[in-house]
Amino acid sequence: AQKITQTQPGMFVQEKEAVTLDCTYDTSDQSYGLFWYKQPSSGEMIFLIYQGSYDEQNATEGRYSLNFQKARKSANLVISASQLGDSAMYFCAIKMNYGGSQGNLIFGKGTKLSVKP
Amino acid sequence: DSGVTQTPKHLITATGQRVTLRCSPRSGDLSVYWYQQSLDQGLQFLIQYYNGEERAKGNILERFSAQQFPDLHSELNLSSLELGDSALYFCASSIQAGGSTDTQYFGPGTRLTVL
Repeated sequence: AQKITQTQPGMFVQEKEAVTLDCTYDTSDQSYGLFWYKQPSSGEMIFLIYQGSYDEQNATEGRYSLNFQKARKSANLVISASQLGDSAMYFCAIKMNYGGSQGNLIFGKGTKLSVKP
Repeated sequence: DSGVTQTPKHLITATGQRVTLRCSPRSGDLSVYWYQQSLDQGLQFLIQYYNGEERAKGNILERFSAQQFPDLHSELNLSSLELGDSALYFCASSIQAGGSTDTQYFGPGTRLTVL
């Protein structure tokens, strides 16, 4: 079965600094997608960034980038120039490619990021 | 705003009762997913519908059921409620039936409290 591990329950970062949130995954499949979501204290889940298992380049989306190391099965999220509004829970998730027939996300337990002014 | 709407935002009810949670997907999306987020279980997939048909089931209790209507909105029905059903219930939608590239966009959630 697929599994996502986020080893950092909580992290602090100084405003304007960069921070890396760790995510490792376990799957024997070759085709999968990795997703990061942000959940502020208000509760909604916000999609941040996607990385496909066959993508050769690391995904980037504004201040978010993925450090994707397929051989190590890791997909760490890097947030550059942290802002106070980045304080939230961050979830890593994996989705398998079952020939397009289904595609539920499997989530890690999350990392709570706190940005200090 | 993801474009996915969920109602109600909050729901408080008593044990043994039945409630219905409603979700409208983003325009053009055919898949609807339901997830439950609780402190002890984290985020768990419950069920998926694609274009009106059930596509996949996760850790959904027999007391829970769902459906997707011809206009693609979906409802999650929770019956014989127990204290442990208190959680944040998310609906998500995506364009395709699945596949690893198909991004899911989440609604704001319904917070259910069972007293």
